[in-house]
Formats: sequence, structure tokens, C-alpha cells
Amino acid sequence: DAGVIQSPRHEVTEMGQEVTLRCKPISGHDYLFWYRQTMMRGLELLIYFNNNVPIDDSGMPEDRFSAKMPNASFSTLKIQPSEPRDSAVYFCASRYSGGLTDTQYFGPGTRLTVL
Amino acid sequence: GEDVEQSLFLSVREGDSSVINCTYTDSSSTYLYWYKQEPGAGLQLLTYIFSNMDMKQDQRLTVLLNKKDKHLSLRIADTQTGDSAIYFCAESSVSGYALNFGKGTSLLVTP
Repeated sequence: DAGVIQSPRHEVTEMGQEVTLRCKPISGHDYLFWYRQTMMRGLELLIYFNNNVPIDDSGMPEDRFSAKMPNASFSTLKIQPSEPRDSAVYFCASRYSGGLTDTQYFGPGTRLTVL
Repeated sequence: GEDVEQSLFLSVREGDSSVINCTYTDSSSTYLYWYKQEPGAGLQLLTYIFSNMDMKQDQRLTVLLNKKDKHLSLRIADTQTGDSAIYFCAESSVSGYALNFGKGTSLLVTP
């Protein structure tokens, strides 16, 4: 398996622009998580899905952020409009609920820079 | 919310042992995890321990769990420069579905 795939790996945009981050979870995994990592706040859980349904979005910073999972193999995290304080590394992770543990498998991340 | 606490930095010499410590808050956590993040990469699962265990050994890695004190540690024997990375401690969340991560310990191994 290729693991969790994220695109793009790097994104540089200007304040006010829309940004869309993409994730393909590991095939067969039924949970998908979006995290944000910054030096100041560490790793923050933004939202997670179970069987394509959003379960907990309490970590989403504000209405400018939205996430969708239209099918089991694809999810997007959208920021509109983007602001410089959104600059961070965004990780997607997936998990299979039928496993022994609740281990999450992480993608390589998208480094977002908002100028 | 619940906090998983870790020291931020650790520096050791190549060949020495490294010990990374973590305190967690949720006594009902079923599993506790150590993840490793190398520069520019995502988090990789390093090892985990079931909450009814005190110790788990896996090659150069030893995990110790003190449930009474809610203290978890990761010992890396014969630390190599390739072990330089950020190490995250994580516990199962109350919901049982997500993980609560610490802020990570940056390990620097010097020759």
C-alpha cells in the first residue's frame, strides 16, 4: 500500500486566496483525521470522519475552514479566505477501526505558507 | 481539555542512551503510543504499549509505563545520529477514536 497520500506537498499563496488541501487515506481505513502542526501549538486535531461522515469538528479554528469527504478514498480541507496565521503543516491520517489498536497512519503533510 | 506533557528538547551523545518522558492525564487510555517525526516528514508509529503492561521492549527501544503516576517513558539504547527527530507521546482520547498528542520532544544526537 502507498500509505496516506497528500497533495500538494508545499503550497504558497497570498492572503485572501482559497486553499484546498487533498488527502487519500489508506484503502480500507474507515477513519480520517486532519491535523495542523505549528511550533507554537504543536499538533492540533482539526476534524475527523468515520465512514465519510464528520464526527467531531470542534478543532476547526473558524468558519474559514471546511472539510469534506465525498467518498472513502478522498478528503479535502479548504481554507477560504486564507490568512498568514494559517501558515502551518497540515497532516492527514487514517485508521482502521477493526485493528487491535487505534493506531493512526500519517501522510507526509502539506506545508502551507500564506503571505 | 486533557494535556499530554513532554519536555521539549533532549540532547545526547552518539552511543549513549536517551530517555524521553511523558505524562498523560486520561487514566482510561487503553493504549499509549510513541510516534517519531523526521524532518519534513509525517509522524510514524514507533511503538505502543497496552495499558495493562509495565514494560515493552522492541530491539533498541524500551517503553516503561507507570499507571499510578500516569508516566510513560521511551528509552533508546545506543542512540545513533539517525535517531535525531521529534518524538511524540500520544494517548487514546476519551472518545476512543482520536489520539491526544503531546507537543513533541526534539532529540538531537551529537557525534
